[in-house]
Amino acid sequence: QVQLVESGGGVVQPGGSPRLSCEASGFSFSDHGMHWVRQAPGKGLEWVSFIRYDGKSKSYAESVRGRFTISRDNSKNTVYLQMNSLRVEDTAVYYCAKDLFPGYMYGYVCDTWGQGTRVSVSP
Amino acid sequence: LVMTQSPDTLSVSPGERVTLSCRASESVSNNLAWYQQKPGQAPRLLIYDTSTRATGVPARFSGSGSRTDFTLAISSLQSEDFAVYYCQQYNDWPYSFGQGTTLDIK
Repeated sequence: QVQLVESGGGVVQPGGSPRLSCEASGFSFSDHGMHWVRQAPGKGLEWVSFIRYDGKSKSYAESVRGRFTISRDNSKNTVYLQMNSLRVEDTAVYYCAKDLFPGYMYGYVCDTWGQGTRVSVSP
Repeated sequence: LVMTQSPDTLSVSPGERVTLSCRASESVSNNLAWYQQKPGQAPRLLIYDTSTRATGVPARFSGSGSRTDFTLAISSLQSEDFAVYYCQQYNDWPYSFGQGTTLDIK
């Protein structure tokens, strides 16, 4: 079955640079775009970033543009989120999610989600 | 592009029909999805393209609307439907979610 497993979260100091990973299985990873979505404690969902199936197109939320970088390694069935210059307000559970349709040129909807990895930014 | 859901919280009884609203600050065509999230769980895709149910979603969930005004209806609430519901536009970058509507038991 389709499975997404995030890792790389933890407690980080402001200004830190962790890298989140999301390993996928159960589907043809190289055919699907991938998203990162985050949820601050007790808050709603915030879309963070998208990468196209071939890695050639990326998009970011305004709140993270210039600080976060999404990438993927299709040989490892893994998508990454490099987070730089972290701020307290980046504290959240970070979910990776699979795009619904294979081979789609633009992002679509998130049809399968991982269980998330928690990032806490604290002095 | 701001998505605004109403109400923030809705208290209802099992078996009732409910409608949740989502409004976009500009047209998103029909590129609107609904997700359900239960405590401690990841979100689940319910509806995409305004009215298409995702795989495995019961027929009591239905979506409607266009451009800026959208609705999620649940025809007869079951106990497992009490959760938070989010709308999301994917018409234009950056994608955005509404703030969520909490359905709780009256």
